[in-house]
Formats: sequence, structure tokens, C-alpha cells
Amino acid sequence: GQQLNQSPQSMFIQEGEDVSMNCTSSSIFNTWLWYKQDPGEGPVLLIALYKAGELTSNGRLTAQFGITRKDSFLNISASIPSDVGIYFCAGPWTGNQFYFGTGTSLTVIP
Amino acid sequence: DGGITQSPKYLFRKEGQNVTLSCEQNLNHDAMYWYRQDPGQGLRLIYYSQIVNDFQKGDIAEGYSVSREKKESFPLTVTSAQKNPTAFYLCASSLGGRIGQPQHFGDGTRLSIL
Repeated sequence: GQQLNQSPQSMFIQEGEDVSMNCTSSSIFNTWLWYKQDPGEGPVLLIALYKAGELTSNGRLTAQFGITRKDSFLNISASIPSDVGIYFCAGPWTGNQFYFGTGTSLTVIP
Repeated sequence: DGGITQSPKYLFRKEGQNVTLSCEQNLNHDAMYWYRQDPGQGLRLIYYSQIVNDFQKGDIAEGYSVSREKKESFPLTVTSAQKNPTAFYLCASSLGGRIGQPQHFGDGTRLSIL
């Protein structure tokens, strides 16, 4: 079946540092979504990408839809403690279903 | 406020018991989904419904059942046939129609075995 590989699995960074994570697939996608999940809560949509090469920002977050359409990247600038959580990528499967990556766990050290 | 409401937040199941998790949305979304999340793993699809009175099995439907009698509601029953039900369950919804419509999630129900 379809696989979405996220890396890194976990990150421990100092407050104020920038963060980069990525997601790769074995198939071409037409949409990439990035979610953040706080402990004990449901994932919240951060950014949606619909076009190869697209670069979209949401505050300190920037995501890019890779040109090959098999990857996507999420960057967080000047991290703060509330950035802690698990970040998931997702790509469409069939219809309105999505495959989800295994997540990148982010810890920000004050 | 529009959103997805899951209840209860925590649920305990005894051996041999069926339990039902509630999911209600007031976003007027056509499609609804149930996912299971285990520690260190991504979200795995249990069931989904694109329209009222219709639903499809996902990757791990065995031991679960759903109904979609109303657009707003998509309850999930964890049956006694599900031998390892301890997990975090997430309900989601999306507009439907165009492929790739983002899914929006509820806050989850954590199910544990007594």
C-alpha cells in the first residue's frame, strides 16, 4: 500500500531555533496537508498545498509542495515552547481519504 | 462555533462488552471518518462515509461497526470482537466532492480496557 515516510521521527531543539521536517511518498500526490497534534487532542490543520512547487506560509510556518510531487517540507522559524507536539503530513489516497505519515515529534527546550 | 464533537473523552470497556463512541459535526460536511491512533504510529482508517446511509471499510475495520443515519452523526461501535481496542480514536469530517478536501478532526476519545 501507499507509504508516507516522515523524517525525522523526533527532534529536540532549543527555543529560537528553526525546524525542518519532510515527508516523502512512493506515489505522486496532488495535495499535501500538514497537521499538528497536541498531546491528548485531535490534529489541527496547519497548511494545505495543492500545486507542485507551491510555497505557503502560516505565521512562522512555511510548507512547500515538492516539484516531483512525491515530497513536501515543513519549516518552523524561531521556535517557541508552544510549538511542541507531533506534526503529521497527509496526502490523498482515493476520493476524500488520506494517507497519514507516522509523525515528527517536536520538543522545544526553553 | 462550528466543529466536531467527540464524546466521551475517556471510555473504559469491560471484557466482552460493546461500547459506542459518539461523533457529531455541525460543519455541514458530507464525508466523515474514524481513525485509530496507537502510540508512535500514524492514523489508521477504520471506516468512512461519503454520504448519509452509506459507509465503507477502511484498513482496520474488523471488530468495529458504524452507522450514518444523519449527516451530522457518525457513531463508532467497538465490539467484543476487537481484541485489542485500547487506543486513541479520532473522528474527522470533510466537505467531500473535490478530491483532496482537508479533513478536520475532533479532540478524540481514549478507550481503555478494564
